[in-house]
Amino acid sequence: GNSVTQMEGPVTLSEEAFLTINCTYTATGYPSLFWYVQYPGEGLQLLLKATKADDKGSNKGFEATYRKETTSFHLEKGSVQVSDSAVYFCALSERTSGSRLTFGEGTQLTVNP
Amino acid sequence: DTEVTQTPKHLVMGMTNKKSLKCEQHMGHRAMYWYKQKAKKPPELMFVYSYEKLSINESVPSRFSPECPNSSLLNLHLHALQPEDSALYLCASSLWPSGTYQETQYFGPGTRLLVL
Repeated sequence: GNSVTQMEGPVTLSEEAFLTINCTYTATGYPSLFWYVQYPGEGLQLLLKATKADDKGSNKGFEATYRKETTSFHLEKGSVQVSDSAVYFCALSERTSGSRLTFGEGTQLTVNP
Repeated sequence: DTEVTQTPKHLVMGMTNKKSLKCEQHMGHRAMYWYKQKAKKPPELMFVYSYEKLSINESVPSRFSPECPNSSLLNLHLHALQPEDSALYLCASSLWPSGTYQETQYFGPGTRLLVL
């Protein structure tokens, strides 16, 4: 079956630090990959996505590249802000799994001023 | 515009109450979803509606009853809930069901439910 593994959190950084949150996946076919962000007390917001190998998704300074050879979709940001403090979920969807999104466990990011 | 709205934002109910959660989207999406999210966990899929018909029920207890009156609206009727049903209930929608091809799901802000 499909699965997503995220680096264990929580992650605490100082403002302007470089961020990497690792995400690797297992899928039987050719999945689309997503990063969702959940701010405190809110729902999930789509942060970025990639639908095929070597695609790079980017939004709000965040980037992730779909690496088929390493089955990875690591999230990066060059300089984090206090406002980036949130929980980040890596997820995949794949045709054979129907309408199901498979989520990682989530990574709590705290950015201190 | 990728907005999914949900009402109410918060709900407190007793175990004998009947209440409903509402979700609305005006993006022309034909697939709508209900998820349950416990604290510090990823969302868990409950139901999927595809073209206004229930296509997936993830073995959810019958005290949760979904309804899709039209292509823009999704309801979740609640009856005789248990305290362990307290959670954030998220609605999502996508242009097409992902059985057709992979499609991005857009989430609403959720309803935070407390069952006493």
